[in-house]
Amino acid sequence: KQEVTQIPAALSVPEGENLVLNCSFTDSAIYNLQWFRQDPGKGLTSLLLIQSSQREQTSGRLNASLDKSSGRSTLYIAASQPGDSATYLCAVMDSSYKLIFGSGTRLLVRP
Amino acid sequence: EPEVTQTPSHQVTQMGQEVILRCVPISNHLYFYWYRQILGQKVEFLVSFYNNEISEKSEIFDDQFSVERPDGSNFTLKIRSTKLEDSAMYFCASKKEATNEKLFFGSGTQLSVL
Repeated sequence: KQEVTQIPAALSVPEGENLVLNCSFTDSAIYNLQWFRQDPGKGLTSLLLIQSSQREQTSGRLNASLDKSSGRSTLYIAASQPGDSATYLCAVMDSSYKLIFGSGTRLLVRP
Repeated sequence: EPEVTQTPSHQVTQMGQEVILRCVPISNHLYFYWYRQILGQKVEFLVSFYNNEISEKSEIFDDQFSVERPDGSNFTLKIRSTKLEDSAMYFCASKKEATNEKLFFGSGTQLSVL
């Protein structure tokens, strides 16, 4: 059974710092991996999608990498801003095309 | 970008009552999903639906839950007799094909069972 783990559970950084969020999964038979942002009490905003054949994807200050064989992904946020404060969720698409989510990393960027 | 629409955004109900959560998937999508997120917990898969049939369901999706596509546009999740532990945010999602493309999520319905 696929398990997705995210480390750390919470992170507090000063504004301007570069940071890395980690995601690991137990079964490497995935179709893709998505990173989402969730603000408190709100829905899921898709940030980046990496297909299983890809190594990384970039969007603005965000860069996500995928190492499928080792079951790991990282989300790199450059020059963090207070507006980046949110929970970041990692999810993998399994062999039946459903997403399995991690518990998330709660990020606080202090002004 | 096209959107998945969910209504209502908030629903309050009494324990034991039936609730129907509504979703309008993106118009040319064929695969539909419900997920839920209990406060402070992971987003969990409930059910997937294609061609008017359930494709897969989790152990959470017991006989109290049902899904339906009553017409060409709506996709509903019914909870027959709500329990306190059904209180959660419920997300609908859809995608076009049975491939590795992205799932599009709605903004969720916050269900509170009193």
